[in-house]
Amino acid sequence: GENVEQHPSTLSVQEGDSAVIKCTYSDSASNYFPWYKQELGKRPQLIIDIRSNVGEKKDQRIAVTLNKTAKHFSLHITETQPEDSAVYFCAASTVGAQKLVFGQGTRLTINP
Amino acid sequence: NAGVTQTPKFRVLKTGQSMTLLCAQDMNHEYMYWYRQDPGMGLRLIHYSVGEGTTAKGEVPDGYNVSRLKKQNFLLGLESAAPSQTSVYFCASSVAGGPFEQFFGPGTRLTVL
Repeated sequence: GENVEQHPSTLSVQEGDSAVIKCTYSDSASNYFPWYKQELGKRPQLIIDIRSNVGEKKDQRIAVTLNKTAKHFSLHITETQPEDSAVYFCAASTVGAQKLVFGQGTRLTINP
Repeated sequence: NAGVTQTPKFRVLKTGQSMTLLCAQDMNHEYMYWYRQDPGMGLRLIHYSVGEGTTAKGEVPDGYNVSRLKKQNFLLGLESAAPSQTSVYFCASSVAGGPFEQFFGPGTRLTVL
């Protein structure tokens, strides 16, 4: 079955700098890659997703890139702000799989 | 709309006790999921359902049972709780035909002593 590896497990950046979180997946048939953000004590919420027919997607300060050949995808956050501090999860899924496989999570801390 | 709700929010059990966690959604979603979240382990799928009356095993189903008697509800049962089941449990739902965004409930923090 699908396996998703996420790195790093913790990331600390200065406010205003950029943050990058990377995930690799094992199943070449995977075609949907969402990113969820979980603030402390809260539920995970979708922040951006990408399907395999595109290589990059942007939404204001966040972007996701996908390299299907290498089977990895990344979350990029620019101009980081204190409210970006949270745990971020990547996930992967295939059409018809009806479920997501999540990475282990990255705890992002933005230092003022 | 309340979205996805979970009952209870917190629970402490003794080893061997049983309990049922209730998940309810008012978005008319076909798919529902139960996950557990442990430090450093991400979100691991326990069981899921793609429609009323159907259930399927996820990644870590042992020690848990589920039922989906009504479309809007998904129940997770622990028949004989063990300390290894101490975790935060999240329910989620999504529309059918995806994969699409999953909407999560607020979570249940369960401690088994």
